[in-house]
Amino acid sequence: AQKVTQAQTEISVVEKEDVTLDCVYETRDTTYYLFWYKQPPSGELVFLIRRNSFDEQNEISGRYSWNFQKSTSSFNFTITASQVVDSAVYFCALSEPSVGNQFYFGTGTSLTVIP
Amino acid sequence: EAQVTQNPRYLITVTGKKLTVTCSQNMNHEYMSWYRQDPGLGLRQIYYSMNVEVTDKGDVPEGYKVSRKEKRNFPLILESPSPNQTSLYFCASSGSTGGNDYGYTFGSGTRLTVV
Repeated sequence: AQKVTQAQTEISVVEKEDVTLDCVYETRDTTYYLFWYKQPPSGELVFLIRRNSFDEQNEISGRYSWNFQKSTSSFNFTITASQVVDSAVYFCALSEPSVGNQFYFGTGTSLTVIP
Repeated sequence: EAQVTQNPRYLITVTGKKLTVTCSQNMNHEYMSWYRQDPGLGLRQIYYSMNVEVTDKGDVPEGYKVSRKEKRNFPLILESPSPNQTSLYFCASSGSTGGNDYGYTFGSGTRLTVV
């Protein structure tokens, strides 16, 4: 079973629209960590945010915001007023410290922002 | 500058010809890992290392070897590459197990083609 599910394979929005990228995870651990990474067309992977399982407070960083809901096992990412530079593949990831130190990535959501 | 350096960035090789992809980090990180990225599959962990001389298999270790003789270096070895190992490879390091502090720092990636 997929540990991290990003059901949206590709999303296209027009510049200045808001967009939400969904992430659903699966774990039996009480302690775990969730991440979002950005992969722009240049190919590198850029760390965006880390959340631990005990901190459900939503976070905002500029135009980016994250909504962590343990009740639905979701960690969604919203970009407000999207820009062309936001075009990238976004990966959600889960880390379970108790299980072999593995780090599970979702399959990614490719976001295209149309000018 | 804190970074993970992978070489080469691009490599085309023939089936069965041994190759090594180098990875070096300058952050004194204990935890290092190798991933491969394939379309529709996201990133999958190949091997990881929690410290010098300590390595373990990830999700897809078949056909790969690693070594961790020094803290800063974590080379990926393909003894007899095959076309199904054509992929984009990333090396990553973290100051804590499984990237649980601030996530991984990733190298720029190595695009390998095996013909």
